[in-house]
Amino acid sequence: GAGVSQSPSNKVTEKGKDVELRCDPISGHTALYWYRQSLGQGLEFLIYFQGNSAPDKSGLPSDRFSAERTGGSVSTLTIQRTQQEDSAVYLCASSSEGLLGYGYTFGSGTRLTVV
Amino acid sequence: GIQVEQSPPDLILQEGANSTLRCNFSDSVNNLQWFHQNPWGQLINLFYIPSGTKQNGRLSATTVATERYSLLYISSSQTTDSGVYFCAVVRDDKIIFGKGTRLHILP
Repeated sequence: GAGVSQSPSNKVTEKGKDVELRCDPISGHTALYWYRQSLGQGLEFLIYFQGNSAPDKSGLPSDRFSAERTGGSVSTLTIQRTQQEDSAVYLCASSSEGLLGYGYTFGSGTRLTVV
Repeated sequence: GIQVEQSPPDLILQEGANSTLRCNFSDSVNNLQWFHQNPWGQLINLFYIPSGTKQNGRLSATTVATERYSLLYISSSQTTDSGVYFCAVVRDDKIIFGKGTRLHILP
């Protein structure tokens, strides 16, 4: 597509429920990234994919978080048993090169609120 | 791990003024990039600049990798320049963002 698309744009969920956040990168971008931004804070790098492979998953905040990417395109970030501290904006980005570079483009984010 | 510090944390300027934003990093890095987050939250890629100097209109950036800093210059600022400016670096397969400089341009 023309840009990085994230869905849903807003999600309110009850504590303890599972949520899935989706990212559809720019067509042809091989690298895909997930970040978390808490209110008024900077960006916390969670994970990146080169193709379908994530070289390092240590940035995920806990074992309740998981991410996958299939077909070198769409990625899903799943948070199990959500907690209130998971409330944040989850941002996805994609690029044609790995780990920053030309054409690095962010989506508009998913605002997650855990009540 | 590597530390990325941005200064100043906040900056208020009158429209038309010039400004310099700084990004210091505590260790050698592979890449460096500047981003602007507008007041509506959208992040825009400004410069990919692991070294050297680049210019794009009223904005320019310089990275001196050997001295571990990068500077972002904004000239003749406009109200649309308001927002938060982040620098990000790559180290050990991770991307680390600074906490940002919040810029507010007054009309």
